[in-house]
Amino acid sequence: QVQLQESGPGLVKPSETLSLTCGVSGASVSRSNWWSWVRQPPGKGLEWIGEISHSGSTNYNPSLKSRVTISLDTSNNQFSLKLNSVTAADTAVYYCARDYTAYVPWGDWGPGTLVIVSS
Amino acid sequence: QPALTQPASVSGSPGQSVTISCTGTSSDVGAYNYVSWYQQHPDKAPKFMIYEVSNRPSGVSSRFSGSKSGNTASLTISGLQAEDEADYYCSSYTSANTYVFGTGTKVTVL
Repeated sequence: QVQLQESGPGLVKPSETLSLTCGVSGASVSRSNWWSWVRQPPGKGLEWIGEISHSGSTNYNPSLKSRVTISLDTSNNQFSLKLNSVTAADTAVYYCARDYTAYVPWGDWGPGTLVIVSS
Repeated sequence: QPALTQPASVSGSPGQSVTISCTGTSSDVGAYNYVSWYQQHPDKAPKFMIYEVSNRPSGVSSRFSGSKSGNTASLTISGLQAEDEADYYCSSYTSANTYVFGTGTKVTVL
C-alpha cells in the first residue's frame, strides 16, 4: 500500500519560491508511475499543477508552466515541487499524488498541506 | 485550458439516484476515454472513484457508475446514502498532453 506525505513551509512570502516535498513509502519513485502535484485554494476547486515520470520526464499545466519545476529525489524516494514568484493567489492546499495507470493520474493521494502566501 | 463544466450542486433523497454531468470539448472529454471522477469530503484529500469513463477501482461501491456521450461525461450515484454527501470532481486527459479538472459539484443528501 503506497503512502504519500507532503512536507514544507506553511507560510511563504510574496515573490519568493514555494518548495514542497512528497515523501513516498510502499513504492519507488524511480521504478514506475507518474507522480503529480495538485492544489486547491481555500473554498475552491482542484487544479492540476504538473507531473513527473519515474524517468524524469515532466508535463506542466500551461497556466503555471513558466513558474513550476517538479523534480525527483531518488536517493530519498521523494519528489518535489518548486513554484516561484508566488502571490496570494497561490495560497492553497497542495496535494501530491501517484497515478493509477497510464492516463489515469491520481489513484493515490497524500493528505495535503496548506501553504499560505503572505508577508 | 479552461476547466470542464459541472453543475454547482445536485441533491437527492436517500435511496434516490443523482447524476452529475461534466462537459468538455473535442480536445479533452470528447477525444479520449480518459475521464476520471473523484469524491472529496470536507477537509479531506480527494478519493479516486471512477477511471476510463466507467471503470471502478477496487473497493469503490457499485452504486457509483460512469458514462460518456460526445463531449459530456456523467457520474451517477444510485441508492443515495448520507455518506455520499461530498464534492465531486471530474477530470480528463487532453490533446495537449495535460490534465484538466471539472469545476466541481456539491452533492447534498436531503
